[in-house]
This record gives sequence, C-alpha cells and structure tokens, in this order.
Amino acid sequence: KAGVTQTPRYLIKTRGQQVTLSCSPISGHRSVSWYQQTPGQGLQFLFEYFSETQRNKGNFPGRFSGRQFSNSRSEMNVSTLELGDSALYLCASSLGSVPTNEKLFFGSGTQLSVL
Amino acid sequence: AQKITQTQPGMFVQEKEAVTLDCTYDTSDQSYGLFWYKQPSSGEMIFLIYQGSYDEQNATEGRYSLNFQKARKSANLVISASQLGDSAMYFCAMRSSGSARQLTFGSGTQLTVLP
Repeated sequence: KAGVTQTPRYLIKTRGQQVTLSCSPISGHRSVSWYQQTPGQGLQFLFEYFSETQRNKGNFPGRFSGRQFSNSRSEMNVSTLELGDSALYLCASSLGSVPTNEKLFFGSGTQLSVL
Repeated sequence: AQKITQTQPGMFVQEKEAVTLDCTYDTSDQSYGLFWYKQPSSGEMIFLIYQGSYDEQNATEGRYSLNFQKARKSANLVISASQLGDSAMYFCAMRSSGSARQLTFGSGTQLTVLP
C-alpha cells in the first residue's frame, strides 16, 4: 500500500509570491491534515479536510488555505509569502473516523524556503 | 488548552542499551490519546506507539513501550536495545476529545545512538 505522497519535496520562492503544495493520502483515507514545522515554533496544526470539507482549522492567517478533492487528494496554498513561512509542511492522512485514537500517517513533507 | 512538554532537547545512548524519553501532558479532557512519532533526517513522521487514556495496561510495540502514569500525566517512551537506526527526533503528541481532532505535539527530543 502506497504511503502519503507529498509534492514537491523542495520549493524555493520569493516574498510576495504564492505557492501550492500537494498531498495524496493513503488509499481509503478520507481525512487529510496539514502541519507546519519550524525550528522556533515546532509542529503546528494548520487545518484538516474530510470528504472535501474543512473540518478544523488552526490559528494561522487567511493567507493559508487548502482544499480537498473528491479522490481525497489535498492541496495547500499560501499566498503573499513571507520570510516566516519558510518551513517543512507535513501532510497526514487518516481514515477520519474515531477521534482520539486514530493514527495519523505522515508524508515526507515539502521543504519551503522563502527568500 | 492542551500542552505537551518534552524536557530533554537531546539524549545520547549507547548501542544495545535502553533509553527513556520523557513526556508530560496537560489536558482537562477525560478521553484522550497519546502518541509517539519518530522523525529521521528525511523528514517523514513515523508512528511508533499509542496509549489511550482509558487503557489499563502500558502499550508495547516491539522494542518500544510506553510508561503511562495517568496520575502524574506522564507518557514516557522506552526504547529497548537501541540501534544506530534509532537516531532521530522523537515527538510526543496528544489528541483529546475536546481538541477537534488535531494533534498537539511536544518540542521533541533528538536521540543519538552511539556505536
């Protein structure tokens, strides 16, 4: 069974640009979550999508958005990039059913550098 | 609000020895789950072990075991017979019934296994 696939692996952008990251979940998983990882702030939750609907959102500005398609693939978009957006963006997939004990399966992440 | 605390930024262990990585948590929810993930330098977060708040026995998964002390709100990870491939960043995380499905992560512990 293929794992969670994130593309691209690395991205370099300049301030003010926008970027789109892609995540393909494990087959059969309907929930996709996104996390931002930085040395200073650690791992922070961005949002979760389930059956094409945003089910939960973290404390990030509106420049961060996402969507999920009918095949459960998800994209995350960051507009008007700032230097502080440089981070490893991790996508995780799960079945999306049981709330507390459900494992998240993570991809290898997209390393975004904003210059 | 939930919080995970990992007080050991870095740990060293000799190959074949056991090591304990500390994790304490704070939540007002009665139902919650505790997770440990491993993140090698490749970036992917790898699920290791899970403990539910109502589980009476400590969880074990191969060489990994979780020392769960509910009254002290601690969920320490024990790795037995350390291997060189265990060198990685280790994260403790929690999801509770009131956390709207997101995982809250600790700051991580960088484990280095010495030959």
